[in-house]
Amino acid sequence: GQNIDQPTEMTATEGAIVQINCTYQTSGFNGLFWYQQHAGEAPTFLSYNVLDGLEEKGRFSSFLSRSKGYSYLLLKELQMKDSASYLCAALDSNYQLIWGAGTKLIIKP
Amino acid sequence: DADVTQTPRNRITKTGKRIMLECSQTKGHDRMYWYRQDPGLGLRLIYYSFDVKDINKGEISDGYSVSRQAQAKFSLSLESAIPNQTALYFCATSEGTVHAGELFFGEGSRLTVL
Repeated sequence: GQNIDQPTEMTATEGAIVQINCTYQTSGFNGLFWYQQHAGEAPTFLSYNVLDGLEEKGRFSSFLSRSKGYSYLLLKELQMKDSASYLCAALDSNYQLIWGAGTKLIIKP
Repeated sequence: DADVTQTPRNRITKTGKRIMLECSQTKGHDRMYWYRQDPGLGLRLIYYSFDVKDINKGEISDGYSVSRQAQAKFSLSLESAIPNQTALYFCATSEGTVHAGELFFGEGSRLTVL
């Protein structure tokens, strides 16, 4: 079957760095996507990886290892506004997104 | 104005009532999706459409139906609502195959079935 695993909740300190891990098993693979969702709001696209390696976008970076079925989202210089859920999703062979349940990130002052 | 608009944003209804959630988009995307989100379960796909003549069931289509009235409009119906359909519903759009993973979401419709 197809499955995405990510931690349910993480806590970090303002100004610090946090890494949110995601492992996936899908029928075929066409990319790994990260979304941010603030409480009560819609998800918004953050980044995606198709090839192995690190993609950097400002304070956010995403890494992919296709051989390990593994990705992580790295958030640097954490700000209070980064408190949100982070959703990992993999695009399968039918170009359908398979979603993880999301990681709730709590930022403490 | 939002690129993907959902109406209503909030709705409380009773068991057995028919409910329609509407979605319209100005992004010009062919692909449209309906998801529901429940705490701890993440996003689950109800129906999706790749163009006006193409409608496909997602993983949880039972109890729901959809209509793609135009490229820009995709509505979701609950013919006879039941309490376990209480959830947050999202409409989303995307471009074609290469960009299929980059979804643009509406603001959501919170439905409560009593």
